[in-house]
Amino acid sequence: DTEVTQTPKHLVMGMTNKKSLKCEQHMGHRAMYWYKQKAKKPPELMFVYSYEKLSINESVPSRFSPECPNSSLLNLHLHALQPEDSALYLCASSQGRQGARGNQPQHFGDGTRLSIL
Amino acid sequence: QKEVEQDPGPLSVPEGAIVSLNCTYSNSAFQYFMWYRQYSRKGPELLMYTYSSGNKEDGRFTAQVDKSSKYISLFIRDSQPSDSATYLCAMRTNAGNNRKLIWGLGTSLGVNP
Repeated sequence: DTEVTQTPKHLVMGMTNKKSLKCEQHMGHRAMYWYKQKAKKPPELMFVYSYEKLSINESVPSRFSPECPNSSLLNLHLHALQPEDSALYLCASSQGRQGARGNQPQHFGDGTRLSIL
Repeated sequence: QKEVEQDPGPLSVPEGAIVSLNCTYSNSAFQYFMWYRQYSRKGPELLMYTYSSGNKEDGRFTAQVDKSSKYISLFIRDSQPSDSATYLCAMRTNAGNNRKLIWGLGTSLGVNP
């Protein structure tokens, strides 16, 4: 079991549905990430939150809307998705501070497998 | 040319073999190097994390970084069937607030009993 918990594990939704993916960590990490991973590909960064503020948006379509309600929680709100958005969505976290002493690796959850009908 | 090159395999070895997995990279500014293991239908699991050049050992796993050659390796000793997974290398610079990892494609490893 990982220390980053994602729910649900599986999600099937239609193109007109609205749903949310949830991520929780209790390691005291202050940076949290959303990734998208397609089969046989590495994870692809979508968003980064640092100290609950959005710091990186990798030009992700607006049908994906991230939210960081507090330092332990990260949500990804989904609306009007397309079939090509079917993928494994991964959440990760790392310690907040950067710099030579503070660079720490990212720890991943097991993801939500999303299928768009 | 991709920033990080990794042979996707698949690589198949007998149980007990020494496995060598490698990545090459082109950006000399990379300072932090990671190896992740990913089982089917699971998230990537951090195996090794190294800063700059040198070796790091953890149980049956050894990570090596050769910055002069822009080459990193992961060695697995006494490989087990449970090591069958995809191994991803990732790396990043030390610049400012950079948090973006640059990934290899991943190498699929099968260890046969």
